[in-house]
Amino acid sequence: EAQVTQNPRYLITVTGKKLTVTCSQNMNHEYMSWYRQDPGLGLRQIYYSMNVEVTDKGDVPEGYKVSRKEKRNFPLILESPSPNQTSLYFCASSRTVGTGGQETQYFGPGTRLLVL
Amino acid sequence: AQSVTQLGSHVSVSEGALVLLRCNYSSSVPPYLFWYVQYPNQGLQLLLKYTSAATLVKGINGFEAEFKKSETSFHLTKPSAHMSDAAEYFCAFTGFQKLVFGTGTRLLVSP
Repeated sequence: EAQVTQNPRYLITVTGKKLTVTCSQNMNHEYMSWYRQDPGLGLRQIYYSMNVEVTDKGDVPEGYKVSRKEKRNFPLILESPSPNQTSLYFCASSRTVGTGGQETQYFGPGTRLLVL
Repeated sequence: AQSVTQLGSHVSVSEGALVLLRCNYSSSVPPYLFWYVQYPNQGLQLLLKYTSAATLVKGINGFEAEFKKSETSFHLTKPSAHMSDAAEYFCAFTGFQKLVFGTGTRLLVSP
């Protein structure tokens, strides 16, 4: 089954304790992206990757890191989480995307993070 | 600047009534437009997308949307709401290297 998986689905942590949210897709997609969803703000892009070893900042990258060592995986790293990073996080992938791209993005089920 | 505006953070309808969720876009180039749906505790799922092949686009679960360039709109409709349509709906378009999302509209369906 074609899918995007994220782990963990729920996470409670404390300020400053490093954490990683994993994302994996089995569709051989080149493009992967991380979004955060906050009430009233919709989804905002954190980081994206056009292919292996190619990553770039989205609209809200502060406090986050990513890596893309393999095509299927795109982990999101919070080196020192803070309460303002409490949010619902989604990973997504698509074949490609660029200016005017029409490819559908496939989303993972989400990771709900609470930083105390 | 490229953007998407969804009018109304909440829309309430009765079961069997028409569903109309509004989306307006601002783009300097012809856009590719999408509607995604998010059911409670789930990720986003594509409902339909406009890719310039036809202005009236039919999607899953009986939804459709019409691209109107003159009005810069891409409103989502369904003739008859069902209880299972209760969800949050996001309009989006493809910007540079990413999807640009609206802030979402929560559809409430009452019996």
